[in-house]
Amino acid sequence: DQQVKQNSPSLSVQEGRISILNCDYTNSMFDYFLWYKKYPAEGPTFLISISSIKDKNEDGRFTVFLNKSAKHLSLHIVPSQPGDSAVYFCAASANSGYALNFGKGTSLLVTP
Amino acid sequence: EPEVTQTPSHQVTQMGQEVILRCVPISNHLYFYWYRQILGQKVEFLVSFYNNEISEKSEIFDDQFSVERPDGSNFTLKIRSTKLEDSAMYFCASSDAGRFNEQFFGPGTRLTVL
Repeated sequence: DQQVKQNSPSLSVQEGRISILNCDYTNSMFDYFLWYKKYPAEGPTFLISISSIKDKNEDGRFTVFLNKSAKHLSLHIVPSQPGDSAVYFCAASANSGYALNFGKGTSLLVTP
Repeated sequence: EPEVTQTPSHQVTQMGQEVILRCVPISNHLYFYWYRQILGQKVEFLVSFYNNEISEKSEIFDDQFSVERPDGSNFTLKIRSTKLEDSAMYFCASSDAGRFNEQFFGPGTRLTVL
C-alpha cells in the first residue's frame, strides 16, 4: 500500500535553477513529514522536516511546503547545485507511532 | 559529527542460516530503528525500540526477526532462518527523542541470501 507517493522517478535541472520535488500522501493521520537525500552506497541523510501545524519550513536553500487539504508536500531547492544530485525521499509518520513511511524516491540530476 | 555505524557492510549467507546485523547508534540517542530496502523498492519500516523493548513493529517483522540492545552501545537485528526474500539493504537509525525528531540513518548492511 503506497501511503506516500513520489510520482516522478527522476528530475533533471540546470545548475542555479530551482528544483521542485513533489510528494503526495493518502493517510490523513500523518502529521510529521521529512525529506531525506540518499547517495549510492550510503544511508538516507536527513534534510528538512515539517509538522502538520505548519505549511512552510525553510532551511537555507531548502524549503518544504505542506498543503494538508491536498495531502501534498513539495521540496524546493534554490539555487540547485551539482552536489544536490541524489535520490530524494519523502517520508511521513502518523500520530500513532514512530515508523517512517517512505516514498519510492525521486532521482535529481543537477547539470552544470 | 556523530553518526550511526553498521557492520558488516555486506553479508552473504545461505538460505536457512541465522544472521546478526550490528549497529552502533548515536551515543545520546534513546530511540532505535531498523528499516530495509529491497532492490528497486521503497525503504520499509521494520521495528522501533525504546527503553529496552519494542515500541512498534511492522507486518514484515515476524517471528523470524528479533532485536536486542546487548550493551550500552550496540543494537542488533537477528534473522533466525534467512529466506531468499530477506535479501535487501538493512538500515539502522536512531533519534534522540520519539516523534517530531529526525531519525539519523547508518550506511546500511547489504544482506545477500543464496
